[in-house]
Amino acid sequence: QVQLQESGPGLVKPSETLSLTCTVSGGSINNYFWSWIRQPAGKGLEWIGRMYSSGSANYNPSLKSRVTMSLHTSKNQFFLKLSSVTAADTAVYYCARGPQKYGSMDVWGQGTTVTVAS
Amino acid sequence: QSVLTQSTSASGTPGQRVTISCSGSSSNIGSNTVTWYQQLPGTAPKLLIDSNNQRPSGVPDRFSASKSGTSVSLAISGLQSEDEADYYCAAWDDSLSGPVFGGGTKLTVL
Repeated sequence: QVQLQESGPGLVKPSETLSLTCTVSGGSINNYFWSWIRQPAGKGLEWIGRMYSSGSANYNPSLKSRVTMSLHTSKNQFFLKLSSVTAADTAVYYCARGPQKYGSMDVWGQGTTVTVAS
Repeated sequence: QSVLTQSTSASGTPGQRVTISCSGSSSNIGSNTVTWYQQLPGTAPKLLIDSNNQRPSGVPDRFSASKSGTSVSLAISGLQSEDEADYYCAAWDDSLSGPVFGGGTKLTVL
């Protein structure tokens, strides 16, 4: 059974870069799309972007100028970098498998809380 | 605000049937399939009904979804206390080239 686990700093200073890792266990990262999604406290979900195991990516246009995704297939990990963060980027960040083509995100990590504050 | 529109809350008593609605536009629900996610308090979202309108293993058949034009509905029959959660609709958006979500509906079991 595929499981995802997010990791990274829980506190990031304004204007710095948020960096998170998602580790995939119980299955291969190959031949799938992998997404990052975030959820501010008490609010809804926002898709940040996705990356295919080949390295091709597409990002939410509202965040595209600040987002970089990458992956390390041999370590079964994929990564999120969000630059020039502000308090508005404070949220729970989730990694998930998918969507494949136009489908669903079928496996989610438990989420990691990132607070942007000085 | 969210691209897809959901009512913020819904409620029902145990055993009742409850419906949660979600509306979008021609660039998302109108032209693509819809997914429903369930988020229990303090946990990550979980796939409830996938884009092929199928329930993953372990999801009871009390949950069902339907679509008409640019709107979709999630129906929960035989409501149980463990159904108390936030429910999110999602659909691929052709303009965004990515999935968009509804704002979520908080379901309370009275």
